[in-house]
Amino acid sequence: DAGVTQSPTHLIKTRGQQVTLRCSPKSGHDTVSWYQQALGQGPQFIFQYYEEEERQRGNFPDRFSGHQFPNYSSELNVNALLLGDSALYLCASSLTSGGRFTDTQYFGPGTRLTVL
Amino acid sequence: DAKTTQPNSMESNEEEPVHLPCNHSTISGTDYIHWYRQLPSQGPEYVIHGLTSNVNNRMASLAIAEDRKSSTLILHRATLRDAAVYYCILRARVGNSGYALNFGKGTSLLVTP
Repeated sequence: DAGVTQSPTHLIKTRGQQVTLRCSPKSGHDTVSWYQQALGQGPQFIFQYYEEEERQRGNFPDRFSGHQFPNYSSELNVNALLLGDSALYLCASSLTSGGRFTDTQYFGPGTRLTVL
Repeated sequence: DAKTTQPNSMESNEEEPVHLPCNHSTISGTDYIHWYRQLPSQGPEYVIHGLTSNVNNRMASLAIAEDRKSSTLILHRATLRDAAVYYCILRARVGNSGYALNFGKGTSLLVTP
């Protein structure tokens, strides 16, 4: 049973560029959340997707956008990259069953984004 | 959202119990207390969660104060593999039926042989 997978593992971009990160949830999960973790900090919630819609987002600008596909996988897009966007981007999957969210989120290993 | 306060770091000897404290004085009646840990170069990993009663699982125990303003994660016998950053989190509601995790800086646990 594969856990949460993310690609790529590492990525280097320059300021102003755009980036797309990908996430495949754990088998059987239908909800994907994205987090940003700066060096030395805890992860910060970006947004959550369920039924191909953004359910809620944290305090992140519109440069951060996402998508969820019918197979529950998800993408995180960041436009007009800034130096401050350099971070580890984590995807977490979970199950929303019958409208009741189960408590455990399973995290992938993350994508390390460096903006030069 | 309610906040949590944890010590920045703690140290333990291998095979001894570890008690990791967390203060959450502004917790509301419906806030669940979650603990996750993050090993070096990995994503966070679920450890345990609870609402009011103490909880046990194969990884750890969670002791919740009667007034729910604090809790303690207990690792019964620390091993070198338990060296990680431990996060105490109050789950935040997202939309009508979703939840997000509000991580703080956590406690960095060092386990020495």
